[in-house]
Amino acid sequence: IAGITQAPTSQILAAGRRMTLRCTQDMRHNAMYWYRQDLGLGLRLIHYSNTAGTTGKGEVPDGYSVSRANTDDFPLTLASAVPSQTSVYFCASRPSGSGTDTQYFGPGTRLTVL
Amino acid sequence: AQSVSQHNHHVILSEAASLELGCNYSYGGTVNLFWYVQYPGQHLQLLLKYFSGDPLVKGIKGFEAEFIKSKFSFNLRKPSVQWSDTAEYFCAVNPFSGGYQKVTFGIGTKLQVIP
Repeated sequence: IAGITQAPTSQILAAGRRMTLRCTQDMRHNAMYWYRQDLGLGLRLIHYSNTAGTTGKGEVPDGYSVSRANTDDFPLTLASAVPSQTSVYFCASRPSGSGTDTQYFGPGTRLTVL
Repeated sequence: AQSVSQHNHHVILSEAASLELGCNYSYGGTVNLFWYVQYPGQHLQLLLKYFSGDPLVKGIKGFEAEFIKSKFSFNLRKPSVQWSDTAEYFCAVNPFSGGYQKVTFGIGTKLQVIP
């Protein structure tokens, strides 16, 4: 069982370009999340999905969009990348939306926008 | 909305020293509490969690945390740290009722253990 995979591992992107970060889980978890991790700011939620077909905005959603067409995949798209989106992006999942569930994290994508 | 404060942003300890990392949260209702650890170059993984019962919870690798409701605290402890405990530690809180979405993380504490 792979758990959560993310692709790419790292990427350097020119400002203004469109980029999709991929996230796939094989645990059949209902809930999925995208976080960005920045020095001194910890993890901040970008978008979430409690179940396939539904999504919601987190703490820092501007400039990002997500879709949840099926249970396994939760791609994050930057429509027009800006340097402030330079960060490490983590995808996570939970069995359900319950507050007691543990979150499982992917290995992360390191994105640099120049 | 809840918030999480981690007071120590960078901690340096010698091996065998005792560790206590502070975590305080603000939320008016019942919460579930988590500590996650991120070892260098790795993704976050659960260290321990509390959602009911004994307020002293034990996690992996000899870590424990105590939930003190009156102080809104969930401090992480380990009696004797090892070099391999060098990592970043994140406290997180989730309201007990309702779905996900509101897991809020602290900004993290970087622990450096010197051999």
